[in-house]
Amino acid sequence: EVQLVESGGGLVQPGGSLRLSCAASGVTFSGHYMDWVRQAPGKGLEWVGRSRNKANSYSTEYAASVKGRFTISRDDSKNSLYLQMDSLKTEDTAVYYCVLNVVANDAFDIWGQGTMVTVSS
Amino acid sequence: DIQMTQSPSSLSASVGDRVTITCRTSQDIRKYLAWFQQKPGKAPKSLIYAASSLQSGVPSKFSGSGSGTEFTLTISSLQPEDFATYYCQQYNSYPYTFGPGTKVDI
Repeated sequence: EVQLVESGGGLVQPGGSLRLSCAASGVTFSGHYMDWVRQAPGKGLEWVGRSRNKANSYSTEYAASVKGRFTISRDDSKNSLYLQMDSLKTEDTAVYYCVLNVVANDAFDIWGQGTMVTVSS
Repeated sequence: DIQMTQSPSSLSASVGDRVTITCRTSQDIRKYLAWFQQKPGKAPKSLIYAASSLQSGVPSKFSGSGSGTEFTLTISSLQPEDFATYYCQQYNSYPYTFGPGTKVDI
């Protein structure tokens, strides 16, 4: 069974940094695109960014709201995806989900359980 | 950015009802549209991708259709486990965007 487990969430002050991790099991990680999606409390879903696979040079895409502040990276040897979040703002408060695209590059078919990030003073 | 709208924003239905949710996009996205189901406190679950392709394990009571700028998700016979919020998402161009959601309740 394919499973994703996020970790690293917590409370951080505005302007601070946090690094989220997403560990995958039950799948060969390197061949797949991966995404981060977030959901502010009581709100809808917002795509944060993507890491393409090794065949596509691990290139990345970001939402305008996080570009220049967030960085997505991955370590295929550890089956792990990361989200480095810098210069955090109160509006970054959300549950962050990592998503694995298995069936196709844009299938968004496997989701983690999410990790909560709260940006507050 | 491609703007997404969903209608209705919420609906009340009964077990056994046929339910249709509409998603419209501000630009032609061909068939690059997905549908997700989310229950309170849970991660979203993928139902449909490429506008009409059912994800593995998703019951056939769910179906999707459409192309271009208008899409629909249909639940043929609503069951208690289907009461949830449904989101559409375009992946035709970056940034990927989600619709605001449609809450289906009893």
